[in-house]
Amino acid sequence: NAGVTQTPKFQVLKTGQSMTLQCAQDMNHEYMSWYRQDPGMGLRLIHYSVGAGITDQGEVPNGYNVSRSTTEDFPLRLLSAAPSQTSVYFCASSRLAGQSSYNEQFFGPGTRLTVL
Amino acid sequence: AQSVTQPDIHITVSEGASLELRCNYSYGATPYLFWYVQSPGQGLQLLLKYFSGDTLVQGIKGFEAEFKRSQSSFNLRKPSVHWSDAAEYFCAVALGAGSYQLTFGKGTKLSVIP
Repeated sequence: NAGVTQTPKFQVLKTGQSMTLQCAQDMNHEYMSWYRQDPGMGLRLIHYSVGAGITDQGEVPNGYNVSRSTTEDFPLRLLSAAPSQTSVYFCASSRLAGQSSYNEQFFGPGTRLTVL
Repeated sequence: AQSVTQPDIHITVSEGASLELRCNYSYGATPYLFWYVQSPGQGLQLLLKYFSGDTLVQGIKGFEAEFKRSQSSFNLRKPSVHWSDAAEYFCAVALGAGSYQLTFGKGTKLSVIP
């Protein structure tokens, strides 16, 4: 059981380049999400998904696309990277719970992205 | 919209001393409350959570937190800090059951003096 895995661990891009950050989980979790972490800002939600084929925007979605074709994978795409997207990106997942409970979110180790 | 405030950006304590990290939230109802720890270069690990019931909750690594509704606070405490506790600590809230979007505070970095 690997939990939540993210690749790559580090990436350097030039402005305007595109790339996909990979996130996978082997816990059969319905809910997956992407956060970005910037110094002094905490973590901010980019996009999330409650199941295959269902995605929605979080607090800071601009410049990012997501899709969820399988339960296991939730890739984050940067179509045209900008220096403002330099950040550490975390993927998280959890089971969906009923209306009277909540399940812990498990975080991946992160991807450190630098856009020059 | 809900918000989370961690007033202390950086705290330094001596090993063996007690610790309290502050967290205040702004939300009309009682949200679900969490404390996460992030060691350097690592992801986030859940320390403890509060949903309802007993307002003093115990977590892993000897941490506890107390929910005070009147103060909209959820402060994290540890009676005796170890050098390995040096990390960044994040308070987070979720709106409640069925809501999975976490709103994080900006974090408090803890340094421990041997």
